[in-house]
Amino acid sequence: QKEVEQNSGPLSVPEGAIASLNCTYSDRGSQSFFWYRQYSGKSPELIMSIYSNGDKEDGRFTAQLNKASQYVSLLIRDSQPSDSATYLCASPGDKLIFGTGTRLQVFP
Amino acid sequence: GAGVSQSPSNKVTEKGKDVELRCDPISGHTALYWYRQSLGQGLEFLIYFQGNSAPDKSGLPSDRFSAERTGGSVSTLTIQRTQQEDSAVYLCASSKDRGTYEQYFGPGTRLTVT
Repeated sequence: QKEVEQNSGPLSVPEGAIASLNCTYSDRGSQSFFWYRQYSGKSPELIMSIYSNGDKEDGRFTAQLNKASQYVSLLIRDSQPSDSATYLCASPGDKLIFGTGTRLQVFP
Repeated sequence: GAGVSQSPSNKVTEKGKDVELRCDPISGHTALYWYRQSLGQGLEFLIYFQGNSAPDKSGLPSDRFSAERTGGSVSTLTIQRTQQEDSAVYLCASSKDRGTYEQYFGPGTRLTVT
């Protein structure tokens, strides 16, 4: 059974710092991952997708996939209070296999 | 373009009543998914459609839950004889095709069973 694991947090970082969110997965066959951001009371919003080993950068966000270690991460540079949310890692397929999410708090 | 839409946004119903939740996917997306999220919990997969077919119904919690999709577009999730434990946010997502394509979520329907 495919599993995706995340630390539930909260992860607290000061404004302007780098936030590092991590996810491990059990299925070596997983080829790609999505990162979703979910604000309280809102639905998940897709912010990054990564389909190959290595890094993918989009603005302040960098997704990293390490297939050998079965590890995927999301780095948020210059963290802002508006980044405070729950971040969900998901392995796609016929259904998304979600981690439980990491709550990020960015304090001024 | 328009995103995934869901209606109603909120539904309050009495225990034992039937409810219908609607999802309108992104135009051209062939795959449609239903998830459920209880307060403070993670996302629970319910069912997905490829076109009008539902290859995987494994997540439906009981036979009180059913879903259909017509014309490869709009989908309806029906809950019969609602129970208090059905209270949750029901989320719909769509993607270009099944598999590893990106899934985009609608705003959800908050269901409260009193």
